[in-house]
Amino acid sequence: GAGVSQSPSNKVTEKGKDVELRCDPISGHTALYWYRQRLGQGLEFLIYFQGNSAPDKSGLPSDRFSAERTGESVSTLTIQRTQQEDSAVYLCASSPLGGTSPLHFGNGTRLTVT
Amino acid sequence: AQSVAQPEDQVNVAEGNPLTVKCTYSVSGNPYLFWYVQYPNRGLQFLLKYITGDNLVKGSYGFEAEFNKSQTSFHLKKPSALVSDSALYFCAVSRYNDYKLSFGAGTTVTVRA
Repeated sequence: GAGVSQSPSNKVTEKGKDVELRCDPISGHTALYWYRQRLGQGLEFLIYFQGNSAPDKSGLPSDRFSAERTGESVSTLTIQRTQQEDSAVYLCASSPLGGTSPLHFGNGTRLTVT
Repeated sequence: AQSVAQPEDQVNVAEGNPLTVKCTYSVSGNPYLFWYVQYPNRGLQFLLKYITGDNLVKGSYGFEAEFNKSQTSFHLKKPSALVSDSALYFCAVSRYNDYKLSFGAGTTVTVRA
């Protein structure tokens, strides 16, 4: 079956532009996560969606970052007025229930802000 | 707050030798512990988890990990490493009834033939 799909796989943008990253989770997975992976660092939690509950946005680094999810399907992560420090790999993961369920990760979107 | 430390950036072993990747954690309450692996040009994959019960847990590809509460450690082990085990390994922790996983910085494992 299909895994978690992320698009685009690579994105190069100029400083100050807005970008939108997309994640298609595994069908039936109610939990969806966004993480950021900077070079040489661990994964940094950004946001968590669980079903129709209010998302946990506590990891978003600034108000330039926002994310949406339509029901239990596609999620988009939007970064407004991009800065060079936003350059990283953005990873999306889904799981059947959250909590102790293993996460299934996409291949990520590599964002480069020039 | 919860956190994970992977004290070694890199681990190098010869094929056929034992492999150990170290992980220590800090969390209030009972921990849920995970190992994930990232092969070159591939996404992160789940290896194994400890939730409760037996301190020694077995996972995919012959890997196992031992939960040690007194040392707050969850080291990943494989008795006989393969060249194909060369990858980036991440340890992660969450708390009971909490969905938020905190990841370590990762350890790059290189197994030489």
